[in-house]
Amino acid sequence: EAGVAQSPRYKIIEKRQSVAFWCNPISGHATLYWYQQILGQGPKLLIQFQNNGVVDDSQLPKDRFSAERLKGVDSTLKIQPAKLEDSAVYLCASSPDNSGNTIYFGEGSWLTVV
Amino acid sequence: AQSVTQPDIHITVSEGASLELRCNYSYGATPYLFWYVQSPGQGLQLLLKYFSGDTLVQGIKGFEAEFKRSQSSFNLRKPSVHWSDAAEYFCAVGFQKLVFGTGTRLLVSP
Repeated sequence: EAGVAQSPRYKIIEKRQSVAFWCNPISGHATLYWYQQILGQGPKLLIQFQNNGVVDDSQLPKDRFSAERLKGVDSTLKIQPAKLEDSAVYLCASSPDNSGNTIYFGEGSWLTVV
Repeated sequence: AQSVTQPDIHITVSEGASLELRCNYSYGATPYLFWYVQSPGQGLQLLLKYFSGDTLVQGIKGFEAEFKRSQSSFNLRKPSVHWSDAAEYFCAVGFQKLVFGTGTRLLVSP
């Protein structure tokens, strides 16, 4: 079974530039998550989708971050304009349902803002 | 507020020695409890999880964890550590969304 796929794996951009990350969840998984993991910290949930609807985006900095899952399958996370403090690993995860009992993580997209 | 505390930032264990990583949580009710491992440059891999029932749960790679309701703890253990266990370990709690601790970095000495 293929896992959660993310791209690009690594990205370096200058502050105020924009960046987009893509995630393809495990086939058939209805729930998709984006987490932000800053160096030295645990992952923090940015947004949760159930199919193509947003369940929780309370911790998403909406002035600069956006995410979509238009067809209820893959998803993109965009940052515009980026700030230095956005340097982090962006982890995508998926789950077969919204019970939260089994969540599978991708390998992450590493962002450095200089 | 929901929170997870992993009091040890770093732990060094000799290869072959036993290991215990601590995790305490604060939550409104007994949540689902998880331990994940993250190797450098990799994503998170689930080691084990607790939902209900037997408070001692077995996971992959020889790990186990014990849920203690009275102490709001979910400590991870392994009887004999291997050099390949060196990684970052995260405790997480929650239902639909997970709240993670800050992690414990395990170093294994020869």
